Amino acid sequence: DAMVIQNPRYQVTQFGKPVTLSCSQTLNHNVMYWYQQKSSQAPKLLFHYYDKDFNNEADTPDNFQSRRPNTSFCFLDIRSPGLGDAAMYLCATSTDTGPSYEQYFGPGTRLTVT
Amino acid sequence: DQQVKQNSPSLSVQEGRISILNCDYTNSMFDYFLWYKKYPAEGPTFLISISSIKDKNEDGRFTVFLNKSAKHLSLHIVPSQPGDSAVYFCAAIGADISGYALNFGKGTSLLVTP
Repeated sequence: DAMVIQNPRYQVTQFGKPVTLSCSQTLNHNVMYWYQQKSSQAPKLLFHYYDKDFNNEADTPDNFQSRRPNTSFCFLDIRSPGLGDAAMYLCATSTDTGPSYEQYFGPGTRLTVT
Repeated sequence: DQQVKQNSPSLSVQEGRISILNCDYTNSMFDYFLWYKKYPAEGPTFLISISSIKDKNEDGRFTVFLNKSAKHLSLHIVPSQPGDSAVYFCAAIGADISGYALNFGKGTSLLVTP
């Protein structure tokens, strides 16, 4: 089945220690997104790739960066995780055609910062 | 600033009855609205959507109603089933204002009891 896969599902990192979360997709979608969702909060878009074009949300901290080496893979790098970065990180994909704007989500990676 | 609001964090409904989940938005430039359903340990999955040019969209047991003048939409589930127990997220998008970014509400946790 075509899907969005996130690894690992659970990640524990130390305060200040760089961490990378990965996302892969078999849907061949050209748009990929990273969302952050803290407990009882709405998912918040961090950035997205339209093909190779990177689009950063204005309020995404510089501590968060992303790489998309090819259509299938996208990575979220947190350079110096703080306690406030503990959250669920959701990867999503979509096509660039309307009209539904439907995005397909992976199961998420829960990040714990100790 | 939260542009999409789901003011009921939780809702409990008996099996067979109607579930009504509400969502309000503040930005009149939103032109498409989506509902996502999320089970624990899974990513959100698309449920149903509606364009701003419509006031109703139906898909099986699920119907979404849009009242543009009130900036309000609702999701009706009839009849409710125990398998519908999940967190439901309302999301809005406006291509002219936010590109591909989905603006999510905080979610409503629905519990359908036998």
